[in-house]
Amino acid sequence: EDKVVQSPLSLVVHEGDTVTLNCSYEVTNFRSLLWYKQEKKAPTFLFMLTSSGIEKKSGRLSSILDKKELFSILNITATQTGDSAVYLCAVRVGGGADGLTFGKGTHLIIQP
Amino acid sequence: DADVTQTPRNRITKTGKRIMLECSQTKGHDRMYWYRQDPGLGLRLIYYSFDVKDINKGEISDGYSVSRQAQAKFSLSLESAIPNQTALYFCATSDPGLGTDTQYFGPGTRLTVL
Repeated sequence: EDKVVQSPLSLVVHEGDTVTLNCSYEVTNFRSLLWYKQEKKAPTFLFMLTSSGIEKKSGRLSSILDKKELFSILNITATQTGDSAVYLCAVRVGGGADGLTFGKGTHLIIQP
Repeated sequence: DADVTQTPRNRITKTGKRIMLECSQTKGHDRMYWYRQDPGLGLRLIYYSFDVKDINKGEISDGYSVSRQAQAKFSLSLESAIPNQTALYFCATSDPGLGTDTQYFGPGTRLTVL
């Protein structure tokens, strides 16, 4: 059974801090790993990672994948209150199947 | 206008009732998905469809059925709703032909079964 585990499940930090969110996975036939941000309702896409060691970056957010150790991290620097959200990690497997397997998410709260 | 829309946005129903949740998209994507989200459990895949003629079960399909009426429309039905189907339901679309596995989510339908 494919499994995606995120840690921590919740995190409270102060504005300006840097946070690192973790995602480990055990899946057959890995194809890609995706990060989403969920604020009120619909998850919104952040990054897709397929290759080890290549950092994806967007503003203060960055993410990297380690396919040997089967994990990814999402970094947020100089956090702002608007970064408060649930961050979801998901894995897509290859072969004939489709759909994403999600972790339970990390609930991040940024305090002013 | 939103690319992926879901109706209704909120629904309260009683045990045993038949419920249909609808999803429409204007992104022109062939692939569509239904997920449910429960507190503390993340999103779980119910059904997915490669195109109008190809529908597949996901991780938790029991108690649900789907219909892909057209490329743009994908409906989820609960034939006889039960309280543990109370959840937030998301529709999503994707187009792997674009070279990405990104899925685009609708706003969600909050379903409560009493």
